[in-house]
Amino acid sequence: GAGVSQSPSNKVTEKGKDVELRCDPISGHTALYWYRQRLGQGLEFLIYFQGNSAPDKSGLPSDRFSAERTGESVSTLTIQRTQQEDSAVYLCASSLGGTTYEQYFGPGTRLTVT
Amino acid sequence: QKEVEQNSGPLSVPEGAIASLNCTYSDRVSQSFFWYRQYSGKSPELIMSIYSNGDKEDGRFTAQLNKASQYVSLLIRDSQPSDSATYLCAVSGTYKYIFGTGTRLKVLA
Repeated sequence: GAGVSQSPSNKVTEKGKDVELRCDPISGHTALYWYRQRLGQGLEFLIYFQGNSAPDKSGLPSDRFSAERTGESVSTLTIQRTQQEDSAVYLCASSLGGTTYEQYFGPGTRLTVT
Repeated sequence: QKEVEQNSGPLSVPEGAIASLNCTYSDRVSQSFFWYRQYSGKSPELIMSIYSNGDKEDGRFTAQLNKASQYVSLLIRDSQPSDSATYLCAVSGTYKYIFGTGTRLKVLA
């Protein structure tokens, strides 16, 4: 079946502009995660959605970052007034939910802020 | 102390050898453990999950979990150059997954 998809695959933006990144999870997956991975670094948790519960936003680095999810489908991550330090690969993952289900990652969006 | 620790490597092994990748974690209530492979420029790909103490085998891969020692490992038998990648250990106690920074494996032909 279809895996997690993300768009765009690459985004180059000027400092100060807003960007919106999209994630389509695997059908039937109730849990959705966003991560950031800077070049040569590990995965940094950003936000978690589980069904209709309130999301865990504890990993969002600043109030310039926000994310939404409509039900158990598409999610968008928005970065306002982008800064050069926002340059990274943004990864989305989905899982069936709970703690014993594996996460499956999308291909990521490579964001470059010039 | 990092929550999930891995040796960054690189770990170099000759083709055909066994590669042993190790991971320690600090949260004793962790319940679920995962190994991911990440090729350069690509996203992480799930290799194995393990939830109970002991060994779990899948093809050339064996995951080993020791909750008392808070230790999880991944063995890759008959290593191939195509196994050259960064291997990420992930641990979950609740819904949040904590990833290690990964071990870079180089399999030498």
